[in-house]
Amino acid sequence: QAVVTQEPSLTVSPGGTVTLTCDSSTGPVTSDHYCFWFQQKPGQVPRTLIYDTNNKHSWAPARFSGSLLGGKAALTLSGAQPEDEADYYCMLSYSGVRVFGGGTKLTVL
Amino acid sequence: EVQLVESGGDVVQPGGSLRLSCVASGFTFNTHYMHWVRQVPGKGLLWISRINTDGSNIFYADSVRGRFTMSRDNAKNTLYLQMNSLRVEDTAVYYCASIPGYGSGDDYWGQGTLVTVSS
Repeated sequence: QAVVTQEPSLTVSPGGTVTLTCDSSTGPVTSDHYCFWFQQKPGQVPRTLIYDTNNKHSWAPARFSGSLLGGKAALTLSGAQPEDEADYYCMLSYSGVRVFGGGTKLTVL
Repeated sequence: EVQLVESGGDVVQPGGSLRLSCVASGFTFNTHYMHWVRQVPGKGLLWISRINTDGSNIFYADSVRGRFTMSRDNAKNTLYLQMNSLRVEDTAVYYCASIPGYGSGDDYWGQGTLVTVSS
């Protein structure tokens, strides 16, 4: 089974910009991986931020965006807010089988 | 109000079996693909399985294939996960979820049910 890799932790200043990435052990991430990004805060269930690489869920603030960047999937947060501090997980599809990345703990400080 | 309510979590010995249920309400269950996802408290998410709307097409993670069986009963708005040959490493909170895709933009998650595999 493929391994999906994310940065374990990142820090961003309030108002700053940060990019989280999602890498696949099988090669470049493409639109065929239908990348998802989930946000999970302590004590809460996950919720979908981005699906199918760059489709933003209706609740997701405009400051979040998804893309493909240099062979990886990317989640960019522009103008970080304190409430964006959370764990972020990407998930890739491999012909129907999904694999989560290990998650990125994002600190807004 | 949309609800997904999991049940069936328990303490079970290694090698044992358990069946989880997830009852859906507040949305048209039979038009949604469904997933099981688990999480060890304080750790990351692990995708377990996905089932299509009529139960005819199911995918599993390598770590559970051959041991876990996902199914659904659309008449009862209920999703199931039959777990056999349980291992200590299967200990986790198990979530049922409907995530965007296959024509749906909905994102629904249950609150989870805890499975503990221990001797």
